[in-house]
Amino acid sequence: TQLLEQSPQFLSIQEGENLTVYCNSSSVFSSLQWYRQEPGEGPVLLVTVVTGGEVKKLKRLTFQFGDARKDSSLHITAAQPGDTGLYLCAGTRGNNDMRFGAGTRLTVKP
Amino acid sequence: DTGVSQDPRHKITKRGQNVTFRCDPISEHNRLYWYRQTLGQGPEFLTYFQNEAQLEKSRLLSDRFSAERPKGSFSTLEIQRTEQGDSAMYLCASSFGQSGTEAFFGQGTRLTVV
Repeated sequence: TQLLEQSPQFLSIQEGENLTVYCNSSSVFSSLQWYRQEPGEGPVLLVTVVTGGEVKKLKRLTFQFGDARKDSSLHITAAQPGDTGLYLCAGTRGNNDMRFGAGTRLTVKP
Repeated sequence: DTGVSQDPRHKITKRGQNVTFRCDPISEHNRLYWYRQTLGQGPEFLTYFQNEAQLEKSRLLSDRFSAERPKGSFSTLEIQRTEQGDSAMYLCASSFGQSGTEAFFGQGTRLTVV
């Protein structure tokens, strides 16, 4: 059983559509990060959230940290083909290591 | 370039051989992480260091795997007697501070065991 469960596992949409991906856990995190990864490359950090209920916006991307700091969501507005990639959430508990979910593979078709 | 650097980018080795990967973290980052990633999966935690101390090691890391960070700067990950199941992308990340916040990744080393 993974510490962080991401859903959906795969998502294929048309350009211009909106989408939301989820990252859930039964554990409480001191911080949670979202990364995007392209094939053959390392993950690239998009955002870090640390406060329960926190909402951060990065252009068309909106990230929310759950009030209880156990879950998070990523919403993309008007998706573009350049948004295609593997979206990973990662959480840190206390002073410990960072653990990842299995990711959501997003494909945005022109 | 002041990002996390990994060397080599690609490695093909025969089963049974030993391999060593290197990671140079962002300067002054005190935490360094190693992950393994197979196709279609998220990164799996292997181990992490705070300065030169190895604080945690995953049960995924068998006795054939060893990691070092001798001076609290660069790190090496060695795999002895490689097996085909070791084929994966090996990722290194670094961060500053007491937690995993704001960890930055290198481009990874892709290992293929034939």
